[in-house]
Amino acid sequence: QVQLQESGPGLVKPSETLSLTCTVSGDSVRSGSFFWSWIRQPAGKGLEWIGRIYSSGSSDYNPSLKSRVTMSVDTPRNQFSLKLASVTAADTATYYCARGTSFFGEDFWGQGTLVIVSA
Amino acid sequence: DIQMTQSPSSLSASVGDRVTITCRASQSIASYLNWYQQKPGRAPKLLIYATSSLQSGVPSRFSGSESGTDFSLTINTLQPEDFAIYYCQQTYSPPYTFGQGTKLEIK
Repeated sequence: QVQLQESGPGLVKPSETLSLTCTVSGDSVRSGSFFWSWIRQPAGKGLEWIGRIYSSGSSDYNPSLKSRVTMSVDTPRNQFSLKLASVTAADTATYYCARGTSFFGEDFWGQGTLVIVSA
Repeated sequence: DIQMTQSPSSLSASVGDRVTITCRASQSIASYLNWYQQKPGRAPKLLIYATSSLQSGVPSRFSGSESGTDFSLTINTLQPEDFAIYYCQQTYSPPYTFGQGTKLEIK
């Protein structure tokens, strides 16, 4: 069974960089069949797709966040990561990592991790 | 970006009812439309991918269809566990945008 688990600080100061890692089990991030994505959800609001990365390192980011987002893949550790720079209170949300394909959608998700941006 | 307009934003129904949620894409997305269910405090769960294909383990009372750029999720014979928020998502072209969500509540 594929499982994903987000980890990282739950509190980040304004203007700093949010850093999260997603650890994958039951599959390999090296797999070329899937992309690995990040989605976020402010409390009580809808889902926002942040971006995706393939094992090759090829990535696509949401234009609304593109200037601040960096994603990477760590194949030896079977992890992928998200960095979001210059955060503000508007970046406070639950962040999810997921596995997906364009045809099959995002089929496995992590449980989510709440990140609060506050001084 | 492709905009996904989902309706209604909320819906009240009773156990045993049949309900339909719709999602309209701002441009053609072929059949790259997925539906997710989210319960409080939980991650979204994939129900349907590619417009009408049922994800493994999802009950057959869930179904999806399309008509041009309009897509629908139908739930037949609502069960108590179906009361949740439902989202559509296009995976035709990044960024993979979601609809605003439909909250399905018990009447």
